[in-house]
Amino acid sequence: AQTVTQSQPEMSVQEAETVTLSCTYDTSESDYYLFWYKQPPSRQMILVIRQEAYKQQNATENRFSVNFQKAAKSFSLKISDSQLGDAAMYFCAYQTGTASKLTFGTGTRLQVTL
Amino acid sequence: GAGVSQTPSNKVTEKGKYVELRCDPISGHTALYWYRQSLGQGPEFLIYFQGTGAADDSGLPNDRFFAVRPEGSVSTLKIQRTERGDSAVYLCASNPSGGPYNEQFFGPGTRLTVL
Repeated sequence: AQTVTQSQPEMSVQEAETVTLSCTYDTSESDYYLFWYKQPPSRQMILVIRQEAYKQQNATENRFSVNFQKAAKSFSLKISDSQLGDAAMYFCAYQTGTASKLTFGTGTRLQVTL
Repeated sequence: GAGVSQTPSNKVTEKGKYVELRCDPISGHTALYWYRQSLGQGPEFLIYFQGTGAADDSGLPNDRFFAVRPEGSVSTLKIQRTERGDSAVYLCASNPSGGPYNEQFFGPGTRLTVL
């Protein structure tokens, strides 16, 4: 079974600074996809960024980028120029190439301070 | 347009009771998912519908849990003989066609509390 591990229960960053959230996963599949979702206090999960495992180039979405290390099974999220609105729970998620369900990690709570 | 909606937003029930949780997906989305999020955990997959049929129900924990989607739009998650361990936030998500890599659009969830 696939597992997703987020080893940082909480992280803190100052406004305008950069922070990196860690995620590792375990799989024997060669075809899969990785996601970062944000969950604010409203509980509604929002997709931040996603990566196809067969692509070597790291995905980027505005201030959000990933560092995808396939051999190490690592998928970290970098948030640049952090904003107060970035404060939320962040979940890393895995999806196989053939199934539709997402497997989530336990999340990292990000605090953004002034 | 409207996002995924879930009702009720909160539900309190007593142990042993029956509950129904409703999900209205984004119009036109054929794929619908249910997840359960216990306190301090990430969402855990329960079931996936493609149209009216359950394409993957491998996450349902036991036979007390059942879900339907009779017309391929609204879905209802049904829990019989509720237990205190069923207390969690139940999240629903939809996407246009299912399959991998497609973004799943989540609703705000229903917080179920079993006393």
